[in-house]
Amino acid sequence: DAGVTQSPTHLIKTRGQHVTLRCSPISGHKSVSWYQQVLGQGPQFIFQYYEKEERGRGNFPDRFSARQFPNYSSELNVNALLLGDSALYLCASSSQGSEQYFGPGTRLTVT
Amino acid sequence: ILNVEQSPQSLHVQEGDSTNFTCSFPSSNFYALHWYRWETAKSPEALFVMTLNGDEKKKGRISATLNTKEGYSYLYIKGSQPEDSATYLCAFTSGGSYIPTFGRGTSLIVHP
Repeated sequence: DAGVTQSPTHLIKTRGQHVTLRCSPISGHKSVSWYQQVLGQGPQFIFQYYEKEERGRGNFPDRFSARQFPNYSSELNVNALLLGDSALYLCASSSQGSEQYFGPGTRLTVT
Repeated sequence: ILNVEQSPQSLHVQEGDSTNFTCSFPSSNFYALHWYRWETAKSPEALFVMTLNGDEKKKGRISATLNTKEGYSYLYIKGSQPEDSATYLCAFTSGGSYIPTFGRGTSLIVHP
């Protein structure tokens, strides 16, 4: 069975642009969470979705948004990119209440 | 903002050495404490989830303890091997938000 997959693996964008990152959870998992990991820091929670509804939101500006689709895959959108948005974006899926399984991440570089 | 601290920040040991790291977290409103291993170029992998004060978990040569009253957890690796080289992350979840707060991690390098 495939693990959590994320696309793309790497991405370079310019300040002010918009980006969409994608995540496919493990089959049967209905919960998806997004994290931002900046070099030297631990992953920071951005969003959690369960059954297509937002269940949690971290301390990120409104430029960050996400959604979950009927097949439980998810997209993270970031508008008006800033240099500080450069980071590794991790997606994790879980069954309700169980441990999280992480994807390999998308490395976003904003120039 | 919840404060989750991990120490040391990095650790170099020789193959065969035993080692341990610390994760400190708020002692109030505890819900769960997770440990992850994150090898370079791979995804973070869950090691343990701990929910009760006094919990002790073991997986092979790796074990963890939990003290929720004083707000710390220890991760022990017995007889370190080069394949144990990774960053070890802890994540604290409070009962108020259920949102995990990660520490910065401890980077372990085991030299053959």
